[in-house]
Amino acid sequence: SQQGEEDPQALSIQEGENATMNCSYKTSINNLQWYRQNSGRGLVHLILIRSNEREKHSGRLRVTLDTSKKSSSLLITASRAADTASYFCATDGSSYKLIFGSGTRLLVRP
Amino acid sequence: NAGVTQTPKFQVLKTGQSMTLQCAQDMNHNSMYWYRQDPGMGLRLIYYSASEGTTDKGEVPNGYNVSRLNKREFSLRLESAAPSQTSVYFCASRGLGEKLFFGSGTQLSVL
Repeated sequence: SQQGEEDPQALSIQEGENATMNCSYKTSINNLQWYRQNSGRGLVHLILIRSNEREKHSGRLRVTLDTSKKSSSLLITASRAADTASYFCATDGSSYKLIFGSGTRLLVRP
Repeated sequence: NAGVTQTPKFQVLKTGQSMTLQCAQDMNHNSMYWYRQDPGMGLRLIYYSASEGTTDKGEVPNGYNVSRLNKREFSLRLESAAPSQTSVYFCASRGLGEKLFFGSGTQLSVL
């Protein structure tokens, strides 16, 4: 089974609203990363948060990490139609492996 | 910079045929990865190579073999393709910065 499980599986919001996606994982990690995938394309790295960090910001992105609950959330503020994509969390443990979650499909309606 | 280059972009095989997916990176990265993505799903790790000369199994290695030919190249081989291997295959590399850089993918259909 995959290390990360994300919810919701799909999210539809209006442009300008905030989008929140959650990721839960099972084992200890060094860091957790979020990626974006536009339809039919490869994944693009968005942001990385280390296990000793609780919150990180990058532009309109805010990521939180709660290692006691083994969970992370990605918040996209003031969403745009161009944010429509699938978003994946990936956990980085101690063995060079990055294991991906099942993803959240985000639709931002104009 | 080309980044991570995968070939071919599309391939159709018959059950039992073999093929090799090629991947090359020009970023001098140590680690390279092969993932598969089935429709509507996340990526599952097939094999990875932490450094030149080493390879290790990921989550779903059965039916695949890999070769880390040199620091730049990491190939994935299907010895006897099965319909269950119909998927999109992504190669990725990683340097010291920890994030993955992905190729554009190979869409494989096994009939």
